[in-house]
Amino acid sequence: ETAVFQTPNYHVTQVGNEVSFNCKQTLGHDTMYWYKQDSKKLLKIMFSYNNKQLIVNETVPRRFSPQSSDKAHLNLRIKSVEPEDSAVYLCASSSRTGQDTQYFGPGTRLLVL
Amino acid sequence: QQKVQQSPESLSVPEGGMASLNCTSSDRNFQYFWWYRQHSGEGPKALMSIFSDGDKKEGRFTAHLNKASLHVSLHIRDSQPSDSALYFCAARNTGYQNFYFGKGTSLTVIP
Repeated sequence: ETAVFQTPNYHVTQVGNEVSFNCKQTLGHDTMYWYKQDSKKLLKIMFSYNNKQLIVNETVPRRFSPQSSDKAHLNLRIKSVEPEDSAVYLCASSSRTGQDTQYFGPGTRLLVL
Repeated sequence: QQKVQQSPESLSVPEGGMASLNCTSSDRNFQYFWWYRQHSGEGPKALMSIFSDGDKKEGRFTAHLNKASLHVSLHIRDSQPSDSALYFCAARNTGYQNFYFGKGTSLTVIP
């Protein structure tokens, strides 16, 4: 059963455009994450966020930014996409009070032409 | 440098056989380990967590952790075709910014 929802499933855009991906979790978790999975299936954490703290992976380009309206939602905005941004973007959540097992959404596949 | 190394890169086992996956960390501060499984077109799903030395068994899956050698393994007995997937080892210490996934092991179970 899906508890972390992502939209859209797939997005194609041109270099230089701005895109935004949505993520919602219904698990009541306090912490959410964004990961990038490249063509070699390598997973890299981009951001982790709870209502108190945003932690940014220092390797993430500044054109990426997370946006949260409440603890159940964490969107990802990319200003002026580049070809190397083509990847699958995975949203996840975990509880800070219990085990830190992360629950992932199905991902949003981005193709930059 | 990859902080979590997995081996083998790919593995094929016959249906009903045993699959053994390995993971080694290069950071002695890593205290917590997970195994995740990702089927094609889906997000990763946690299989097991292991935080203490020794074995942890859940159904057909057994994880083993040796903190002294920074080695964790996953053994899948009675492998099924539905076990064919990409398996990730993940590790972290106390800070969320230090959460790392290995490159994954692609498991194929041959009917």
